Amino acid sequence: DAKTTQPPSMDCAEGRAANLPCNHSTISGNEYVYWYRQIHSQGPQYIIHGLKNNETNEMASLIITEDRKSSTLILPHATLRDTAVYYCIVITGNQFYFGTGTSLTVIP
Amino acid sequence: DGGITQSPKYLFRKEGQNVTLSCEQNLNHDAMYWYRQDPGQGLRLIYYSQIVNDFQKGDIAEGYSVSREKKESFPLTVTSAQKNPTAFYLCASSIAGTGRRANEKLFFGSGTQLSVL
Repeated sequence: DAKTTQPPSMDCAEGRAANLPCNHSTISGNEYVYWYRQIHSQGPQYIIHGLKNNETNEMASLIITEDRKSSTLILPHATLRDTAVYYCIVITGNQFYFGTGTSLTVIP
Repeated sequence: DGGITQSPKYLFRKEGQNVTLSCEQNLNHDAMYWYRQDPGQGLRLIYYSQIVNDFQKGDIAEGYSVSREKKESFPLTVTSAQKNPTAFYLCASSIAGTGRRANEKLFFGSGTQLSVL
């Protein structure tokens, strides 16, 4: 099964870029990498996903290494409202597996 | 306004009681999911359904039951057999089951916090 590994916590200064890493060394060729975030006591919110090319949307950028064994979610200008738990997910079989994620704290 | 509605937001269960958590979606999604989240932990899959009248167990199905009689609805019953039911329960849906499409997105409800009296 493809699984993901993320650091448990990170801090980022407000207005700076937040770079959240994820390892998914067992990912297979047709499995997408997804990123979600969860603010306390709410449902997770979709951020972005990608297969092998870098992706950008209004919320974030996703950089996937050429060997696809790791990726980085970039929040270009972090705000206090970006404080949340960020999950990196790879679908295996018919299931989205959520690990414990990275708790990002944006500091004023 | 399209989306997923979970109710109630807070629910209390007495010892030996079954309780049912509601999940309704108007997104016309085929697949629906139930996750459990304990404090400081990630989400664990309880049950999922890829089509009406069909559902499969996830990693922690013991003590739970579901039904999928309508496309829009996927209620979860926490039975008395679930000895540690206190948790945050999240319902989600996606357009089709992940086995059919590789780039699915999950859409989540706002959750139900279940506590034991």
